[in-house]
Amino acid sequence: QQPVQSPQAVILREGEDAVINCSSSKALYSVHWYRQKHGEAPVFLMILLKGGEQKGHEKISASFNEKKQQSSLYLTASQLSYSGTYFCGTYNSQGAQKLVFGQGTRLTINP
Amino acid sequence: DTGVSQDPRHKITKRGQNVTFRCDPISEHNRLYWYRQTLGQGPEFLTYFQNEAQLEKSRLLSDRFSAERPKGSFSTLEIQRTEQGDSAMYLCASSLGSGTSSDNEQFFGPGTRLTVL
Repeated sequence: QQPVQSPQAVILREGEDAVINCSSSKALYSVHWYRQKHGEAPVFLMILLKGGEQKGHEKISASFNEKKQQSSLYLTASQLSYSGTYFCGTYNSQGAQKLVFGQGTRLTINP
Repeated sequence: DTGVSQDPRHKITKRGQNVTFRCDPISEHNRLYWYRQTLGQGPEFLTYFQNEAQLEKSRLLSDRFSAERPKGSFSTLEIQRTEQGDSAMYLCASSLGSGTSSDNEQFFGPGTRLTVL
């Protein structure tokens, strides 16, 4: 089951904050966040694991609400380089082999 | 560290032809994944290898698709009798073997863009 991301798109001015949400209808073990710029490969940002462990960028923060089966990515004081499409991917169990991505959130940062 | 590489970067073929793509993962990464991505969508899982063993294959993958990783290093993805609906970006990713797939980040290659005429 594909996770649902919101919003689908957001436009900000440099320095503003953004929140991207990812929700699932199934229980989650881990949530993976990636950013993809146009014509490039997705780049890893962060993993949030059931139980609270996080791995990833120090300058990007995220939360994982296991009970609500939701994760949010927080981009503060946005920079032009933050522009791109953000994807969350989810694993439903620790032994699962299949990372299922959401449809993406397109973030545009204007000067 | 040269990253994940894929070849070719672009492929244009006629409907009905067979195509083969290659992926070279980051050295010492024993996990390798193939995804398909169409415009405006997230990557869609196709298949997964741990070393040379293919451990997971999407039910969405028809019999025209086959993937191999014969020596646990590079991998190939073959599409037989291509159809226009196969047009997409085919992405390869690799990850380290510590823990489980669900605990580890994946490193993506630049992709192979397939156009079926």
